[in-house]
Amino acid sequence: AQRVTQPEKLLSVFKGAPVELKCNYSYSGSPELFWYVQYSRQRLQLLLRHISRESIKGFTADLNKGETSFHLKKPFAQEEDSAMYYCALVTGGFKTIFGAGTRLFVKA
Amino acid sequence: DTAVSQTPKYLVTQMGNDKSIKCEQNLGHDTMYWYKQDSKKFLKIMFSYNNKELIINETVPNRFSPKSPDKAHLNLHINSLELGDSAVYFCASSQESGSEQYFGPGTRLTVT
Repeated sequence: AQRVTQPEKLLSVFKGAPVELKCNYSYSGSPELFWYVQYSRQRLQLLLRHISRESIKGFTADLNKGETSFHLKKPFAQEEDSAMYYCALVTGGFKTIFGAGTRLFVKA
Repeated sequence: DTAVSQTPKYLVTQMGNDKSIKCEQNLGHDTMYWYKQDSKKFLKIMFSYNNKELIINETVPNRFSPKSPDKAHLNLHINSLELGDSAVYFCASSQESGSEQYFGPGTRLTVT
């Protein structure tokens, strides 16, 4: 079955602490993975995708096919990172499956 | 200069009514989507259109009918609204299926 799992519904960290939002996927083909972010009162927007291998707003994510994971990491969390984060899997070029989302709360 | 727009932003209606939500994108994208986000923030795809043709239809009740008059528009019509239809509905578009998606601001539907 094709599935995206984000095990943490809520993640709370202090400002300056490292943060890791977990994402595991289940897909037999070659996955295309994305992280989307939804800040308060804003629309959902792309944060990064695995094929670009870039760092956006200090966040990085590495695809680990062996562990079927695509965890999102940032070494030093900022208060403005507080948002809802969604991991998404694109299968067969047509269907996008979103994880349940993780709400990140960065405390001052 | 909004890329993906939805109207209305809020919709409050009674059970049994029929309502429509409109979506327009000015990005020249070929693919458009409708998603439903429930009260727990879970985001689930409902439909996907590519060049005005339906390519994905998840297990959505027949009361939901998408209509794409042209590539820039994908409207969602809902018949006989039920309490469980209350949610935020997001429209999105992408250059092609599987590429980055651009989302609309969402329509919060409340069925009373």
